[in-house]
Amino acid sequence: EAGVTQFPSHSVIEKGQTVTLRCDPISGHDNLYWYRRVMGKEIKFLLHFVKESKQDESGMPNNRFLAERTGGTYSTLKVQPAELEDSGVYFCASSRAGGSYGYTFGSGTRLTVV
Amino acid sequence: AQSVSQHNHHVILSEAASLELGCNYSYGGTVNLFWYVQYPGQHLQLLLKYFSGDPLVKGIKGFEAEFIKSKFSFNLRKPSVQWSDTAEYFCALRGGSQGNLIFGKGTKLSVKP
Repeated sequence: EAGVTQFPSHSVIEKGQTVTLRCDPISGHDNLYWYRRVMGKEIKFLLHFVKESKQDESGMPNNRFLAERTGGTYSTLKVQPAELEDSGVYFCASSRAGGSYGYTFGSGTRLTVV
Repeated sequence: AQSVSQHNHHVILSEAASLELGCNYSYGGTVNLFWYVQYPGQHLQLLLKYFSGDPLVKGIKGFEAEFIKSKFSFNLRKPSVQWSDTAEYFCALRGGSQGNLIFGKGTKLSVKP
């Protein structure tokens, strides 16, 4: 099966600009997760979609971050306006329904805000 | 609060040396535990996972991990490392009915040829 696809792989933007990250999960995976790793820190959970619904968005840092999952397929994560501390690697993962499955991760988007 | 601790930030070994990476967690209920690996320039890949049953879990590429409930530990082991094992290793837990993972800070492993 095709893996989880994220793009862009890298993005460099100026503070105050807007960036949209995209994640295409594995087809048929109802669960989609966004994570972020700031340099030197652990990978932190941002939010979880089940199909098109937000199941848990407790990890979203603030209201500058907006995630959507149109029709329960791909997801976008928009940062508007971007701040310097938003720099990091944003990972997406997907899994099947149910609790006994593992997660498949994408390669991540490295976001640099200058 | 749920947390995962990985004791070593950077481990340097010579080829054929044995490896043990420590992972301790804090969670009061049933946990699922995972080890992921990220090779340079690649995505996170699952090495192994523990859900229930035999606490000694075997994964890919000769890795294994042992779940010791009394010690809240899930250490990763490999008897003989290779240069190709150079990567960053992440321990993670999923607690109770949660969907998301909680990660440790990661351990970078450098294997000298």
